[in-house]
Amino acid sequence: QQQVKQSPQSLIVQKGGIPIINCAYENTAFDYFPWYQQFPGKGPALLIAIRPDVSEKKEGRFTISFNKSAKQFSLHIMDSQPGDSATYFCAAIISFRGSTLGRLYFGRGTQLTVWP
Amino acid sequence: IAGITQAPTSQILAAGRRMTLRCTQDMRHNAMYWYRQDLGLGLRLIHYSNTAGTTGKGEVPDGYSVSRANTDDFPLTLASAVPSQTSVYFCASSVRAHTEAFFGQGTRLTVV
Repeated sequence: QQQVKQSPQSLIVQKGGIPIINCAYENTAFDYFPWYQQFPGKGPALLIAIRPDVSEKKEGRFTISFNKSAKQFSLHIMDSQPGDSATYFCAAIISFRGSTLGRLYFGRGTQLTVWP
Repeated sequence: IAGITQAPTSQILAAGRRMTLRCTQDMRHNAMYWYRQDLGLGLRLIHYSNTAGTTGKGEVPDGYSVSRANTDDFPLTLASAVPSQTSVYFCASSVRAHTEAFFGQGTRLTVV
């Protein structure tokens, strides 16, 4: 059973557009939600993260929106650039040390292409 | 060295051969992980280690084994490689379990 569901699988936008990647989860014990960015031939790199007590977090052109009641969160990339073309993964984790589920659960990824 | 180093970066392996993928981190992280990445399937956890001396199975452990003799090293062994193990393998580490992970650059393995 997939713990974190991510959509779309691929996304193409024009430069300056605002791609949106959506993720949903079922386990309400998840309390930390990082996003990873992966360029071809490289390992995933932590991009931005949010906790469910915050509805929105911005870092530069990247914004995470979080809807705790719907158990959904999304990544928005403002003024997207060709250099943002990469695969993006959402993830979820239980940060409470007493839980046995102490690892990241990843979505299946979204391949983003930004055309110049 | 800063971060996670994986070796080799790529390898072509004959089916049935034994292979060890190496992973070393210099961040003194307690937890380490091995993932495989396949198109359309994302990142799937193979094995993990929350601390030196302990290991655990992830989602897809069959055909793989790991050891964690010390904090820094976490090798992944394929005892007898099969073509379905063709994939990109990523080693990752985190300060401790229950925190975000940091990834190495990956090993591209082709089993023929």
